Amino acid sequence: SAVISQKPSRDICQRGTSLTIQCQVDSQVTMMFWYRQQPGQSLTLIATANQGSEATYESGFVIDKFPISRPNLTFSTLTVSNMSPEDSSIYLCSVERGEKLFFGSGTQLSVL
Amino acid sequence: SQQGEEDPQALSIQEGENATMNCSYKTSINNLQWYRQNSGRGLVHLILIRSNEREKHSGRLRVTLDTSKKSSSLLITASRAADTASYFCATFYFGNEKLTFGTGTRLTIIP
Repeated sequence: SAVISQKPSRDICQRGTSLTIQCQVDSQVTMMFWYRQQPGQSLTLIATANQGSEATYESGFVIDKFPISRPNLTFSTLTVSNMSPEDSSIYLCSVERGEKLFFGSGTQLSVL
Repeated sequence: SQQGEEDPQALSIQEGENATMNCSYKTSINNLQWYRQNSGRGLVHLILIRSNEREKHSGRLRVTLDTSKKSSSLLITASRAADTASYFCATFYFGNEKLTFGTGTRLTIIP
């Protein structure tokens, strides 16, 4: 298994500002995944973060809007930049162990 | 989209009853997984079934997989109030290194 500490757990932000979400894993992992879950919806993969290389973004997501850092094998950050109300969602980080995904507790973001 | 479709979208049952939710997908899979999400927080892995398996059990959970119909079902027996959550299927497709999540079923257990 894997234990992931994600913070903040929730935040309320003003339009045009940025928020950085952090995830710390209890052991080293090669890939970390960042998901978005819009209200009442399923999970959508934003990007995959590998240590030492640029993150790989899914269609519809761009680095300027969602920059990701992966400074080592246990830590990653996702920034939601220049926020608008449409960015109000739950953001989740996860790692894979034995074909299963383990998730952080999520960040509930509301943009006013 | 390769996203799975879940049915029903929402389900309310009395405590002690069995709950069944279904997942349909579109292309050949390597495995299918079920996850639970409480109150919009992080997801918890429940069970994984491989494409060459037809049924799997874990405690009060029973999962079936019918690859000919591209569908799976999750049965929760003797439901408890603590089972109230959203349940998602997720599929791992051949040639795709990522899990794709279904639309989810919101289960409410009435005490």
